Amino acid sequence: SQQGEEDPQALSIQEGENATMNCSYKTSINNLQWYRQNSGRGLVHLILIRSNEREKHSGRLRVTLDTSKKSSSLLITASRAADTASYFCATDVDNNDMRFGAGTRLTVKP
Amino acid sequence: NAGVTQTPKFRVLKTGQSMTLLCAQDMNHEYMYWYRQDPGMGLRLIHYSVGEGTTAKGEVPDGYNVSRLKKQNFLLGLESAAPSQTSVYFCASSYSYQLAGEQFFGPGTRLTVL
Repeated sequence: SQQGEEDPQALSIQEGENATMNCSYKTSINNLQWYRQNSGRGLVHLILIRSNEREKHSGRLRVTLDTSKKSSSLLITASRAADTASYFCATDVDNNDMRFGAGTRLTVKP
Repeated sequence: NAGVTQTPKFRVLKTGQSMTLLCAQDMNHEYMYWYRQDPGMGLRLIHYSVGEGTTAKGEVPDGYNVSRLKKQNFLLGLESAAPSQTSVYFCASSYSYQLAGEQFFGPGTRLTVL
């Protein structure tokens, strides 16, 4: 069963705008990760946030984690057409097992 | 470095046929994984390996077998393919001693079972 669920399922914005995607999960976690998948390609790791962290930045990416609400958000600032992709959150079920959500499909219009 | 590679990229099988998907990584990773991705769903873990000679079941292991005879290779086998196994299959690898740390993914294999 899926552990993480992303919201919204699809998001369409103009270039230069910010994009926010949310992830909710069900059980306690050690860490949460965000991945990007371009059409027809494998997943690429974006950022990992541990359960004792509340916010993390990487370039134009900002991830927050609220363990009390079992939720995380991914913010992409000043979006570009090249950011068009599907974004997935993944949470660890146990040491060796990660569960992925169904993803948010982001379209950035030039 | 090539990273994670998968062979083949595409394959069409008839129901009941068998095949093996090959995953290779050149990053000396201990952990390797096989996932399947179906439309509208996230990746689901089929099997994984925490080291050469070891394998374990993931979330959806039925109908698949795996082997890890060499550290750099992880094979996924379908003994008798079924239409329900039509999917895109991804292999991934990661460093050891990290709790579900960053995984590096291959480009995927698109399998169709008729």
